[in-house]
Amino acid sequence: EPEVTQTPSHQVTQMGQEVILRCVPISNHLYFYWYRQILGQKVEFLVSFYNNEISEKSEIFDDQFSVERPDGSNFTLKIRSTKLEDSAMYFCASSGDLAEAFFGQGTRLTVV
Amino acid sequence: QKEVEQNSGPLSVPEGAIASLNCTYSDRGSQSFFWYRQYSGKSPELIMFIYSNGDKEDGRFTAQLNKASQYVSLLIRDSQPSDSATYLCAVNIGNAGNMLTFGGGTRLMVKP
Repeated sequence: EPEVTQTPSHQVTQMGQEVILRCVPISNHLYFYWYRQILGQKVEFLVSFYNNEISEKSEIFDDQFSVERPDGSNFTLKIRSTKLEDSAMYFCASSGDLAEAFFGQGTRLTVV
Repeated sequence: QKEVEQNSGPLSVPEGAIASLNCTYSDRGSQSFFWYRQYSGKSPELIMFIYSNGDKEDGRFTAQLNKASQYVSLLIRDSQPSDSATYLCAVNIGNAGNMLTFGGGTRLMVKP
C-alpha cells in the first residue's frame, strides 16, 4: 500500500541552526502539506503546496519556514534558524483531488 | 477563528460496547469532515471521511454529519482494546489547498 515517508525520524539541533525535514509523498497525489504537533497539543496546519507553489499557509508559517519540491518525488520543509519553541512532531501529508490527507510517520524535532 | 471542538475524555467503554465520539465545528462553510485515529507517539491515521448530511458506514465505524447543527460524530461498534487511542476530528473548509483544522482529540479507552 502506498504511503508517505519522512526522514529523519528524529532530529536534534541546536537553537539557531537550520534544519531540513524531508518527505516523499504518495506518488500520484497532487497536494502536499506540512503539519506540526507540539507535545500534548493539537495537530496544526503549516502549509499546503499544489502545482509547485504554496496554496495556503498558516500564521505559524513565517519567514523562518520554507518549502520546496526539488525533484519529482521529494517535498522538504526548511526551518532557517530554529527556536526552542519549534520543538514538535512535524508531519508531512499528501492527498489526491479530494481532501483526504494521508500522513507520514513524522519527524520529531528537538531544539536544544 | 475557525474552531473544531472535542471533549478530551478519556471516554471509557467496555469491550464489545459502542463508543460514541463527538465533534462540533464553528465554520458553516465547512465542506468535508474527517476522523483520524492517533496512537500515542504516532501519526494520525485516516479512518473515515464524510461530505454529506446523514450517516456513512464502513465496517465497525459509522460517521454521522449534521451540517445544520454543525456536528459530526463517530460511532465504533463492538469496541476492542486495540481501538484505544485518541480520535481526532478534522474539518476542511474548502479553501484552496484543502487544509484541515483539527480538534484536540478524544482519548478512548476500551477496557477488556
